[in-house]
Amino acid sequence: DVKVTQSSRYLVKRTGEKVFLECVQDMDHENMFWYRQDPGLGLRLIYFSYDVKMKEKGDIPEGYSVSREKKERFSLILESASTNQTSMYLCASSAPGQGNYEQYFGPGTRLTVT
Amino acid sequence: QKEVEQDPGPLSVPEGAIVSLNCTYSNSAFQYFMWYRQYSRKGPELLMYTYSSGNKEDGRFTAQVDKSSKYISLFIRDSQPSDSATYLCAMAKSGANNLFFGTGTRLTVIP
Repeated sequence: DVKVTQSSRYLVKRTGEKVFLECVQDMDHENMFWYRQDPGLGLRLIYFSYDVKMKEKGDIPEGYSVSREKKERFSLILESASTNQTSMYLCASSAPGQGNYEQYFGPGTRLTVT
Repeated sequence: QKEVEQDPGPLSVPEGAIVSLNCTYSNSAFQYFMWYRQYSRKGPELLMYTYSSGNKEDGRFTAQVDKSSKYISLFIRDSQPSDSATYLCAMAKSGANNLFFGTGTRLTVIP
């Protein structure tokens, strides 16, 4: 059974704190993604990575950075958390290949910044 | 204008009803079309996957793609309370790594 796990289901942080969200997949997928999901806005892509140490900005990268040191692990970093980063964060992975666009999602981390 | 538009609902139907969920899109480069289902407090999971135009059926679910109208649909027959979830459409361009998602439609099937 395919598995994408995220380090926390719920997280509460203070404004200005540095926040790390971890994602691990066990499917040997090359591609990994970080999204945030907000009511009325849907899923918005923050960053994605198509290989170890490679990263690409998504639609809303401002205020975020990522790290991919190992194939199975993709970390999202909020350098200085702000209240407008309160959201549900979803990690996903996929295997590249023609016609293969299925993404497997983790359960999400609900982050509240106070 | 967003590249993918989806009516957020919410949509409430009685058990056994036929449900129709729809998305429109503006970019003719989209070639791959997906429907994800997301239960409350869970991540989305792939429900249906189609390439280019046409229909695809899987049990009670049918996905339709009309590329000429830039319109995709998901039909659920004999809807069940267990179908209560948020349904997200998603699309991809050939050769690209990322997906473009609709905002999701929240469906409730009332027993």
